[in-house]
Amino acid sequence: DAGVIQSPRHEVTEMGQEVTLRCKPISGHDYLFWYRQTMMRGLELLIYFNNNVPIDDSGMPEDRFSAKMPNASFSTLKIQPSEPRDSAVYFCASSLGGYTDTQYFGPGTRLTVL
Amino acid sequence: QQPVQSPQAVILREGEDAVINCSSSKALYSVHWYRQKHGEAPVFLMILLKGGEQMRHEKISASFNEKKQQSSLYLTASQLSYSGTYFCASHTSGSRLTFGEGTQLTVNP
Repeated sequence: DAGVIQSPRHEVTEMGQEVTLRCKPISGHDYLFWYRQTMMRGLELLIYFNNNVPIDDSGMPEDRFSAKMPNASFSTLKIQPSEPRDSAVYFCASSLGGYTDTQYFGPGTRLTVL
Repeated sequence: QQPVQSPQAVILREGEDAVINCSSSKALYSVHWYRQKHGEAPVFLMILLKGGEQMRHEKISASFNEKKQQSSLYLTASQLSYSGTYFCASHTSGSRLTFGEGTQLTVNP
């Protein structure tokens, strides 16, 4: 398997613009996680899905953030409108068994909001 | 509640041993350990589950002390490739998976 795939790898945008990050989990994995990593806040879990259904979105920072998983092989994380403080590396991870199983991380998307 | 890792940083010479601790203020269901190299994604090392056994990944092992609400990662005979930031992540009752701040490990020749 190719592993977790994320796109784009780098994104530079201006404040106020909409940003969409994409993730393709490992085939057969029922859980998908979105994380954000910054120097100040470390690695934070934003939201996770089980069988395409959002289970826990309490880590989503604001209403400007939304995530969807229309099918088992695709998820998006959208920020609208973006702000400079959203600059971070966003990781997507997938696993077979949720919190009790290995999470395989994608390479991440480095987002810079000017 | 974020788990607390100690130490924050460790510098070793190749072949030396190190221990990284991860403590929680709540009862732990599971503890995950990851290693992240600069500019890369975190890579899974092992998971310790409540009531489970001590785990091992190559020359790295970990223990889980439920009473102390603590997990420890043991790096034996360190190699240059062990350098990176080690994160523990805890899953406690009623909470989401939360990562510690990380321990930066540097192994020098």
